[in-house]
This record gives sequence, structure tokens and C-alpha cells, in this order.
Amino acid sequence: DAKTTQPPSMDCAEGRAANLPCNHSTISGNEYVYWYRQIHSQGPQYIIHGLKNNETNEMASLIITEDRKSSTLILPHATLRDTAVYYCIVRVASRGADGLTFGKGTHLIIQP
Amino acid sequence: DAMVIQNPRYQVTQFGKPVTLSCSQTLNHNVMYWYQQKSSQAPKLLFHYYDKDFNNEADTPDNFQSRRPNTSFCFLDIRSPGLGDAAMYLCATSRGQGAMDTEAFFGQGTRLTVV
Repeated sequence: DAKTTQPPSMDCAEGRAANLPCNHSTISGNEYVYWYRQIHSQGPQYIIHGLKNNETNEMASLIITEDRKSSTLILPHATLRDTAVYYCIVRVASRGADGLTFGKGTHLIIQP
Repeated sequence: DAMVIQNPRYQVTQFGKPVTLSCSQTLNHNVMYWYQQKSSQAPKLLFHYYDKDFNNEADTPDNFQSRRPNTSFCFLDIRSPGLGDAAMYLCATSRGQGAMDTEAFFGQGTRLTVV
């Protein structure tokens, strides 16, 4: 799986959009970008994933650059409950049974 | 409704005394995973079962074993816990259907303390 680089921490004001970047410059053509988050003392939670098109669901939007070397997770209206560690993971979808390799993630802190 | 259930949430065990952590799922997923997460670190995969097939990560210590008696249940056995095994242990499941398998579901974890 390709390596990802994320900032260790970020702050965002409550009610604002939180934009979390992820670099994955060695991504392969068959690798997807997945985002998970982990709220303190809970198990990780799936947020969204994408291959090359931008994706949106009820939780977030995922913007992937045209060259696919980086992506941004957007939480449109951050709340205090969005404070968590956010993990960007790149992997081949067909290896979904193999488990996840977590990097260090970004600790997002939503400020009131 | 909880879909991946781990019991207990907190477990205290004595140094060297065998301990078993349990996980159950209501999703009927093919794959069940165990992760170890030490303080301030990311989760690390220990092993997983695809149905009854056991897959061990290369660097998982022999002190850690697992059992999956049926689709719904999976156990993590630590034969002789050391102080370094104190961690949160996370169970997760997925369908394991290749490209269709987009999401892993995690339990709340069991926090293990070794005294």
C-alpha cells in the first residue's frame, strides 16, 4: 500500500468547514483513498473512500486531485463531536480482506 | 444498535496470567480482525480470520493467539501478558468481498491493563 503523509494536528472553529489534507504521491492506479476517524476511547469509524472522482456522503466530501497524488477530506460544518484523529489510508480495494494499515493521522480539534 | 461488540470494555489481568478478550458481530461478515492500539499510537493489525482461515501478521508475537469458533464470535488469547501488552484491543469485521469490501466496522475496544 502507498504511503500517506498527514499533518499531525489541526484546529478548526465550530461551524466552519474542516479541510484535512493527505499526500499520497506514490499512489498506484488501482489504489483507493480511504478515510477513517477515531474519536477518543472509541473504535475507528469509516468516513468515505474514492478512486479518482470526488465523493460526498452524509458525513463528508472527498476531493482527489487530478494527478491523484493528494486528497482533502472536508467536513462541511464541523461540530465539537468531530474532534478526533483522522486517518487517510491508501490501499487496493481488492485486498479489502487484508486489514488496514494506519498511519499517524491528523488530530483534528474543533474549537468552540 | 451495536454491530461489533467487545466484552469487557475494561480488563485488568496479572502479569503472566492468561487472558481472553471476546468479540461478537451481528453483521454476518466473513472477516474478523484484531488490532492492538497502544497509548498515543495508531491501531496495528495483529491477525485476521477469513471465515475459518487464520492469517497472522509477520510481526505478531507468539504470545498472541486467536480462535474463531463460528461466524459470529472471535477471541483473542494472550498466553502470558507482559507489561508491554497493556493496550486497547480492537475487533473489526468486513465482508471481505474484494472490490465490494469498502468498509470495516470496529467495536468499541477492550482496554487491557496488566498489573
